[in-house]
Amino acid sequence: DTGVSQNPRHKITKRGQNVTFRCDPISEHNRLYWYRQTLGQGPEFLTYFQNEAQLEKSRLLSDRFSAERPKGSFSTLEIQRTEQGDSAMYLCASSLVAFTSGGRHTQYFGPGTRLTVL
Amino acid sequence: QKEVEQDPGPLSVPEGAIVSLNCTYSNSAFQYFMWYRQYSRKGPELLMYTYSSGNKEDGRFTAQVDKSSKYISLFIRDSQPSDSATYLCAMRSQAGTALIFGKGTTLSVSS
Repeated sequence: DTGVSQNPRHKITKRGQNVTFRCDPISEHNRLYWYRQTLGQGPEFLTYFQNEAQLEKSRLLSDRFSAERPKGSFSTLEIQRTEQGDSAMYLCASSLVAFTSGGRHTQYFGPGTRLTVL
Repeated sequence: QKEVEQDPGPLSVPEGAIVSLNCTYSNSAFQYFMWYRQYSRKGPELLMYTYSSGNKEDGRFTAQVDKSSKYISLFIRDSQPSDSATYLCAMRSQAGTALIFGKGTTLSVSS
């Protein structure tokens, strides 16, 4: 399977604990995005990477959230001191952006990591 | 007012019906318009991708964009039970990176 993969698929944690999620993008995709989706809502943008550089962060990404993409391949999203309000589906997407694409590029999503904070 | 408005439904139709799903938006800078399908507890799957105004057809699916009205539509012909899912509209500007999503419309097709 050459799609976007995410691990774990489900995570249950207690309030105050730290959690880390991993995303493996489609091979050779240079952009990687993180979104959060709560029940009954569409995904909301959190942050994105161009290769290993984190170029944009949403105001939704509080100081307790940190994301990395150390070698421009896989990415991790860590949430410190989890709160019940962090319970959501965390989605990763990737795309290939080329200078010749003229602004057009498609974001392909992974299956998501469902986080439940008790 | 949210940037993208989408009626969450639910929408229930019999098998074989034509389904019409819609979104309105407020940001005139949006140039790229997408429809994603999301099955329960799964990630969104891209269905249709349209640039600027016009129509695009792919099998049983037709996407329409009317930028003058800030209105986009997805039509599903000959709907099947396997089409039962949540349909999310998404869009972004030429310079933008983040996709702005609607809430999604939940569709149920009964056999």
